[in-house]
Amino acid sequence: GAGVSQSPSNKVTEKGKDVELRCDPISGHTALYWYRQSLGQGLEFLIYFQGNSAPDKSGLPSDRFSAERTGGSVSTLTIQRTQQEDSAVYLCASSLLMQASGGVADTQYFGPGTRLTVL
Amino acid sequence: AQKVTQAQTEISVVEKEDVTLDCVYETRDTTYYLFWYKQPPSGELVFLIRRNSFDEQNEISGRYSWNFQKSTSSFNFTITASQVVDSAVYFCALHDRGSTLGRLYFGRGTQLTVWP
Repeated sequence: GAGVSQSPSNKVTEKGKDVELRCDPISGHTALYWYRQSLGQGLEFLIYFQGNSAPDKSGLPSDRFSAERTGGSVSTLTIQRTQQEDSAVYLCASSLLMQASGGVADTQYFGPGTRLTVL
Repeated sequence: AQKVTQAQTEISVVEKEDVTLDCVYETRDTTYYLFWYKQPPSGELVFLIRRNSFDEQNEISGRYSWNFQKSTSSFNFTITASQVVDSAVYFCALHDRGSTLGRLYFGRGTQLTVWP
């Protein structure tokens, strides 16, 4: 079946503008994750959703970042007033079940990412 | 402190050589899961394997094999008879009881280049 899809694949924006990144998870996957990959920082966890709920948003790097998920499916990551340090590849992943602490760790499947460049 | 350490930043080999990518993890939990992902130049992270802490059996899948040793907290990945298509960044990741928010802890990755 179809994997995780993300759009756009590339986004170039000017400093100070807002951007929206979209993630479409694998059908039937209840958990959705956002990560950021930048040079020198590796893979940085941002937020996860179980259904439409994001129990903890403390992984988001600043209050300029927000995310939502509707209908238990598509998720949007919004970055307001972008800064140059926001330049990175934003990766989305989904899994069948939430990887609850102490419970079964279900496999996360990743999308191709959105490469964000802030000029 | 890093939970997952991939000490090899870059490895270069010639086609048909065997290569081992090291992964050392740190956890106090008895229940945990380890993963390997491949990131080719296209950028997408491709899942390779998941292993839970109760299963120390080594696994082989074609040219790929994994050696899980709890005594040394290592989960190493070997590619036999490497091919140019194996060139990618390989990430090791950990999920344990401390993995709040459902996150995976990733190592920094090992860039593998296979030359023809």
